Amino acid sequence: DTGVSQNPRHKITKRGQNVTFRCDPISEHNRLYWYRQTLGQGPEFLTYFQNEAQLEKSRLLSDRFSAERPKGSFSTLEIQRTEQGDSAMYLCASSLGPAGGLDEQFFGPGTRLTVL
Amino acid sequence: AQSVSQHNHHVILSEAASLELGCNYSYGGTVNLFWYVQYPGQHLQLLLKYFSGDPLVKGIKGFEAEFIKSKFSFNLRKPSVQWSDTAEYFCAVATGGFKTIFGAGTRLFVKA
Repeated sequence: DTGVSQNPRHKITKRGQNVTFRCDPISEHNRLYWYRQTLGQGPEFLTYFQNEAQLEKSRLLSDRFSAERPKGSFSTLEIQRTEQGDSAMYLCASSLGPAGGLDEQFFGPGTRLTVL
Repeated sequence: AQSVSQHNHHVILSEAASLELGCNYSYGGTVNLFWYVQYPGQHLQLLLKYFSGDPLVKGIKGFEAEFIKSKFSFNLRKPSVQWSDTAEYFCAVATGGFKTIFGAGTRLFVKA
């Protein structure tokens, strides 16, 4: 399978713990996006990478959230001191875009986070 | 603030019925528009997109959408739905940069 993969698929944690999710994009894709989706809502944009550079970050991404894409390939999203309100599906998407252009995003299966 | 509104949260149709899902956005500048679909147990995938040119765009599986700039709308249509079209449909708008805003989604159930 050469699509976007995310690990783990499910994560249950206690409030106050730190969690880290991983996203492996389609190999030649230079753009990577993170979204959060709660029940009954569409995906909400969190952040965007062009290669290893984080170019855009939503105000939804509080100081407890950090994302990296160190070598321009896989990405990690870390949530520190989790809160119950962080419970959601975290989606990763990737795309292959020409410079300055928009293109089709390919989504992964998501990581479902439950904070107890 | 920019937003995307999908008029129906749940739609139930019989096979062969025609489908139209409404989508309106609030943004006065240039937009790029998308419809994504999520079939049960599967990932979100692109159904169709509009960047420029002909405002009537055709996507996969017989779907089409029309961009009406004056109405800030991008409604999705299909003349005859099938049971396999049962899914959740999301309208999305990109307004510049790479931030994409999604609507809340419409769950379509097609009765066989």
